[in-house]
Amino acid sequence: AQSVAQPEDQVNVAEGNPLTVKCTYSVSGNPYLFWYVQYPNRGLQFLLKYITGDNLVKGSYGFEAEFNKSQTSFHLKKPSALVSDSALYFCAVRSNQAGTALIFGKGTTLSVSS
Amino acid sequence: NAGVMQNPRHLVRRRGQEARLRCSPMKGHSHVYWYRQLPEEGLKFMVYLQKENIIDESGMPKERFSAEFPKEGPSILRIQQVVRGDSAAYFCASSPRAGGEANYGYTFGSGTRLTVV
Repeated sequence: AQSVAQPEDQVNVAEGNPLTVKCTYSVSGNPYLFWYVQYPNRGLQFLLKYITGDNLVKGSYGFEAEFNKSQTSFHLKKPSALVSDSALYFCAVRSNQAGTALIFGKGTTLSVSS
Repeated sequence: NAGVMQNPRHLVRRRGQEARLRCSPMKGHSHVYWYRQLPEEGLKFMVYLQKENIIDESGMPKERFSAEFPKEGPSILRIQQVVRGDSAAYFCASSPRAGGEANYGYTFGSGTRLTVV
């Protein structure tokens, strides 16, 4: 069975500081990993994904994430946080096997203070 | 390309009524996924459909909930005899093929917020 864990309900950082939002996963087969962001009363917007290749992937708005197979992690990072980054962030995983749906973590609320 | 369209955006139903949530996938997308978002539970997978087929309904409650994606028209998530616990945001996503768009995973709609009073 597939699962995703986001161990932190909330992450607080000051503007200009680096941020990390943690994600670990469990999946049979090779994982496809995604990060999405949700602003209040909106749908989910794609940030970045790992399918294959380089372990460090870069996405929208200056975000990046590192795939670590041995630790089964896919932490989201940004070198310098902005107040406008404050939102709900979801990590998601699916197996590379056909017919499987994307499974989401519970989400982490990022709060960036000025 | 209008993206994934969900309607209505907000739906209020009294306990015992039926709720019908609609999802029109992006043009060219033949795979639809429904998710439910509850405040303390995150985004929960409900059902995965192709045109006229249910591929995976492992996340659907056994009673009162059903979903379809007919050959013509939108996908429908139907909740019969709604209860207060059904109040949530319901999101639909679509993809052009099994497993999602290679670059973007799924494309999500803006959701339907169901309130049961």
